[in-house]
Amino acid sequence: TQLLEQSPQFLSIQEGENLTVYCNSSSVFSSLQWYRQEPGEGPVLLVTVVTGGEVKKLKRLTFQFGDARKDSSLHITAAQPGDTGLYLCAGADETSGSRLTFGEGTQLTVNP
Amino acid sequence: NAGVMQNPRHLVRRRGQEARLRCSPMKGHSHVYWYRQLPEEGLKFMVYLQKENIIDESGMPKERFSAEFPKEGPSILRIQQVVRGDSAAYFCASSPPSPKRDYNEQFFGPGTRLTVL
Repeated sequence: TQLLEQSPQFLSIQEGENLTVYCNSSSVFSSLQWYRQEPGEGPVLLVTVVTGGEVKKLKRLTFQFGDARKDSSLHITAAQPGDTGLYLCAGADETSGSRLTFGEGTQLTVNP
Repeated sequence: NAGVMQNPRHLVRRRGQEARLRCSPMKGHSHVYWYRQLPEEGLKFMVYLQKENIIDESGMPKERFSAEFPKEGPSILRIQQVVRGDSAAYFCASSPPSPKRDYNEQFFGPGTRLTVL
């Protein structure tokens, strides 16, 4: 069974601070996706990383895929209250390519 | 662009009743996935379907749960004789046909919140 461990589970910071969320596994993933989920809604895809060592930027968000494709990180610069939400990483199974394995999520709260 | 649509958004059932959850994938998408999010837990894969075919049902409970994606119409997740433990948010996702199996972007619907009384 593949597992994705996210840390921290909860994060409460002040507006303007930087933060990093980690997603780790002992398994290799063919691709890894980051989602953000608001209460009562479905996950919204933020980015997909495919290549080991890949770095993608989305405004103040920077996503990195580990060289061995077992881990990933999400870094937010100058966090804003609008960044508040549940951040989920999900790995695509290398053997089947269809099943997404999700981490437990990081609940981020940015206080004004 | 219409996204993935799910209905109903909220469904209340009494123990022993049947629940039917519907999912219409994004336009042009032919792959549908169902996930379940139990309270205080992460999303767990249930089943992967293409039109008229179940491709991977390794996450489906062995009894009472079934899924279909007919040639016409939405995908249906059916739960028979619901129990309180079935209370959860059920999410559908879709992805386009892709020649590269290692690049599998899935787009999620808003979910159906099932409450079993």
